[in-house]
Amino acid sequence: KAGVTQTPRYLIKTRGQQVTLSCSPISGHRSVSWYQQTPGQGLQFLFEYFSETQRNKGNFPGRFSGRQFSNSRSEMNVSTLELGDSALYLCASSPGGRASTDTQYFGPGTRLTVL
Amino acid sequence: GQQLNQSPQSMFIQEGEDVSMNCTSSSIFNTWLWYKQDPGEGPVLLIALYKAGELTSNGRLTAQFGITRKDSFLNISASIPSDVGIYFCAGLRNNDMRFGAGTRLTVKP
Repeated sequence: KAGVTQTPRYLIKTRGQQVTLSCSPISGHRSVSWYQQTPGQGLQFLFEYFSETQRNKGNFPGRFSGRQFSNSRSEMNVSTLELGDSALYLCASSPGGRASTDTQYFGPGTRLTVL
Repeated sequence: GQQLNQSPQSMFIQEGEDVSMNCTSSSIFNTWLWYKQDPGEGPVLLIALYKAGELTSNGRLTAQFGITRKDSFLNISASIPSDVGIYFCAGLRNNDMRFGAGTRLTVKP
């Protein structure tokens, strides 16, 4: 079974631009979560999608948004990029059943650099 | 955000030595997970623990779910150079997942 895939792997943007990142979960997984990882803040939860609906949301500004398609693939969008948005963005998928025991599997991440 | 206290922050050990790291929390979790992350890559799941007191092994790795449900530890026996990386613990309850800050492991040949 193929793992979680994320595209692109690397991205360079300038301040003020917007960016869209893509994630394809493990086949059969219905839940997709997004995380931001930076050296200073570590791993921070952005949001989770299940069956095309946002099920959970972290403490990030409205510039960060996402969506999930009927095939469970998910996209994350960041508008009006700021220098502080430079980070590794990780996507994780899980079966989406019992949330309390739903193990998440991570993709390789998209390294976003904002200049 | 991070609500798990993971220690130590970093370890420098000689190849062949055993390693132990742990995570503690003031809150109860239903699942404890241990991940390893190499530079520029996403975390890879090593061990998942679903029941208080559970002890699970994966090769040279052994992890335990604390009986209070507020802690977990990971042991690596007979370390090898490819064990180098950052190890993260994660606790899961309901729809909430929290991470430790990571333990950076360096193994000297």
